[in-house]
Amino acid sequence: EAQVTQNPRYLITVTGKKLTVTCSQNMNHEYMSWYRQDPGLGLRQIYYSMNVEVTDKGDVPEGYKVSRKEKRNFPLILESPSPNQTSLYFCASSSSGSGGVGEQYFGPGTRLTVT
Amino acid sequence: GDSVTQMEGPVTLSEEAFLTINCTYTATGYPSLFWYVQYPGEGLQLLLKATKADDKGSNKGFEATYRKETTSFHLEKGSVQVSDSAVYFCALKARDGSARQLTFGSGTQLTVLP
Repeated sequence: EAQVTQNPRYLITVTGKKLTVTCSQNMNHEYMSWYRQDPGLGLRQIYYSMNVEVTDKGDVPEGYKVSRKEKRNFPLILESPSPNQTSLYFCASSSSGSGGVGEQYFGPGTRLTVT
Repeated sequence: GDSVTQMEGPVTLSEEAFLTINCTYTATGYPSLFWYVQYPGEGLQLLLKATKADDKGSNKGFEATYRKETTSFHLEKGSVQVSDSAVYFCALKARDGSARQLTFGSGTQLTVLP
């Protein structure tokens, strides 16, 4: 089954404690992205990746890091989480075909609370 | 920069009512346009899309027409069901040659009552 998986699904942590949210896709997609979803703001892109070792900033990259060492994985790293990073996070992937306007496949989301 | 504006929610309808969720956009050139749906506790799923002016995307009884002259992509369904209760997001992807992904609207919560 084609899917995007994220772990963990729920996480409560404290300010300053480094954490990583993993994302993996099994569709051999080139493009992967991280979004955060906040009430009234929709989804905002944090980082995206066009392929292995190729990443770029989205709209709200401050306080986040990413890496793309393998095609299937795109972890999101919070080196020193702060309460304003409390949010619902989604990973997504898509193929580079169709001029890059193909369907994005979303993971189930990770709800992060930073106290 | 690119932006998407959706009608404010929440929207509450009775089963079999007609649905319209308005969406307008601002973008350079001619973007591709999408509607995504998010059911409770799940990630987003593509509902329909249109890649050029006057295209009509359709799926599961939902339709939206890409209107370049009004920069709009309104979502419609003739007869909603309880199972359509979800959050609906309008989104665009610019044709600027970059790999940058989607720009989303703020979402519209739809509740359909039996």
